[in-house]
Amino acid sequence: KAGVTQTPRYLIKTRGQQVTLSCSPISGHRSVSWYQQTPGQGLQFLFEYFSETQRNKGNFPGRFSGRQFSNSRSEMNVSTLELGDSALYLCASSLRGKETQYFGPGTRLLVL
Amino acid sequence: GNSVTQMEGPVTLSEEAFLTINCTYTATGYPSLFWYVQYPGEGLQLLLKATKADDKGSNKGFEATYRKETTSFHLEKGSVQVSDSAVYFCALSDSSGYSTLTFGKGTMLLVSP
Repeated sequence: KAGVTQTPRYLIKTRGQQVTLSCSPISGHRSVSWYQQTPGQGLQFLFEYFSETQRNKGNFPGRFSGRQFSNSRSEMNVSTLELGDSALYLCASSLRGKETQYFGPGTRLLVL
Repeated sequence: GNSVTQMEGPVTLSEEAFLTINCTYTATGYPSLFWYVQYPGEGLQLLLKATKADDKGSNKGFEATYRKETTSFHLEKGSVQVSDSAVYFCALSDSSGYSTLTFGKGTMLLVSP
């Protein structure tokens, strides 16, 4: 089975721009979660989607949003980028959300 | 709320040395516990897991036992290799049923030949 894939792998943006990241879960997995990893804050949960609905949300501002499509693929969007949004964004999938999560390679975002 | 505390690194060992990375947690109920590993420039890989008290997770020579009485899930390996050099994350998933993971800060392991 193919693993979790994320595109793009690297991204450079400037302050004020917006960005969309994509995640394709493992085939058959319907839950997709997003995490932000920074040197200062470590790994922090952003949100989880299941069956196209946001089921759980972390403590991030409204500039961070996401969605899930009927094929379980997910996108996350960050609007009005700030320097502090520079991070590795990791996507993880699981069957229904209660099982082990499997992570993708991440998208490294640099905001200049 | 939930929290995970890991020993700070880096942990520097010679090849074939014994490894212990300490992890303790705070959570209500009966969380599931995980160790993930991150190699440079990569995402997280599941190393092992345990879902109930006294369970032992094991994989690739690594082991960890879920100790509810001490709220701990320490990672051990009897003989480390250079290829084990990576960052190790302890994490928990609480008993609410959702898949949200709470992570520790990570411990970098450096193994020299």
